Amino acid sequence: DIVMTQTPLSSPVTLGQPASISCKSSQSLVHSDGTTYLNWLQQRPGQPPRLLIYKISNRFSGVPDRFSGSGAGTDFTLEISRVEAEDVGIYYCIQVTHFPWTFGQGTKVEIK
Amino acid sequence: QVQLEESGGGVVQPGRSLRLSCVVSGFTFRNSGMHWVRQAPGKGLEWVAGISNDGRNEYYGDSVKGRFTISRDNSQNTLYLEMNSLRPEDTAVYYCAKQFDFGGLDDYWGQGTPVTVSA
Repeated sequence: DIVMTQTPLSSPVTLGQPASISCKSSQSLVHSDGTTYLNWLQQRPGQPPRLLIYKISNRFSGVPDRFSGSGAGTDFTLEISRVEAEDVGIYYCIQVTHFPWTFGQGTKVEIK
Repeated sequence: QVQLEESGGGVVQPGRSLRLSCVVSGFTFRNSGMHWVRQAPGKGLEWVAGISNDGRNEYYGDSVKGRFTISRDNSQNTLYLEMNSLRPEDTAVYYCAKQFDFGGLDDYWGQGTPVTVSA
């Protein structure tokens, strides 16, 4: 199975400042169709997760443009350009290239 | 309006069985792959199982393979998860989620149903 490793596991951030989360996979996430199926989800306290980014860098409908994703192969990054109060929560990367799908451990973003 | 509603959770003894259901509305169920994801208390997300839109293909996480069975009834817009030989480590909130057309899990999740496995 592919292991997804996120760092940091906790990220205290000042409002208006940027945040960055790394996600590394134990194997390449490039599918046989040439696409890399690496997504990012956000889980606010007490809520089910929501989709933020799909296929590395595509923002899901309604996701603010302060969220961006990048990377390739086995190294990926989620960036929040200016953290707002509503961004507090846990962020997960998930690879959906290979079954079984696997999540990173999650990164808790909180306001300093 | 897309809705997914899980049910069937509860408290069960180790070794026993439980069947979860997820009734959906607001989208064409038979056109979408579906998945179960769980979250143990205070822990992260774990993908449990997935099923293709026509039910022909099933996929499982290693921790549940051979014990859990995912299925669906497209005539009833319902997804199921049959859980056998339950263990304390299966204790979690179980979410059903729609598959995203571009890969992975869509933005549509249920609110989850809690399962507690305890003597």
